Amino acid sequence: ELKVEQNPLFLSMQEGKNYTIYCNYSTTSDRLYWYRQDPGKSLESLFVLLSNGAVKQEGRLMASLDTKARLSTLHITAAVHDLSATYFCAVDQDSNYQLIWGAGTKLIIKP
Amino acid sequence: EAQVTQNPRYLITVTGKKLTVTCSQNMNHEYMSWYRQDPGLGLRQIYYSMNVEVTDKGDVPEGYKVSRKEKRNFPLILESPSPNQTSLYFCASSLNAAFGDIQYFGAGTRLSVL
Repeated sequence: ELKVEQNPLFLSMQEGKNYTIYCNYSTTSDRLYWYRQDPGKSLESLFVLLSNGAVKQEGRLMASLDTKARLSTLHITAAVHDLSATYFCAVDQDSNYQLIWGAGTKLIIKP
Repeated sequence: EAQVTQNPRYLITVTGKKLTVTCSQNMNHEYMSWYRQDPGLGLRQIYYSMNVEVTDKGDVPEGYKVSRKEKRNFPLILESPSPNQTSLYFCASSLNAAFGDIQYFGAGTRLSVL
């Protein structure tokens, strides 16, 4: 059974700092997705990672996938308050969008 | 405007009273899915559909039904709701699941079963 673990589950940091959220999963998969959810809102797709070594960047966020280590990272560079949200990773078990989700990382960035 | 529309946004009901949450997308997407979100558990997939008349169970299908008679609509049916189905529900769609196209989410339906 595929399990997806994110850590940390909660992160409070200062603006301007760098940090990394980790997403580990338990069985082989080469498809991983990152989403953002603002409080009381829906989910927004951030990154789609479809192969080993995939790296995607958007603004201050960069996501990568290492399928051999079964690990994806979401790196935040020089954090700003607007990035405060909950971030989820989700792993596709069979390349058919049957997704297993991590519990989410609640990120608070203080001015 | 491209969107996934869920209705209702909020619903309070009683145990055993059948209900339907509608989901409609205007992007001609093949793939649609229903999730429930509970605190500390992330999202869990209930059912998904790869195309019209093709549906399959996700991780937590018990107590739910779906249908996909037309491409744009994917209603979620609770035949006999129970309190453990109190949750926040999201519908999502994607152009093509096989290619890993991004998923678009509806605004969510907050359901309380008393």
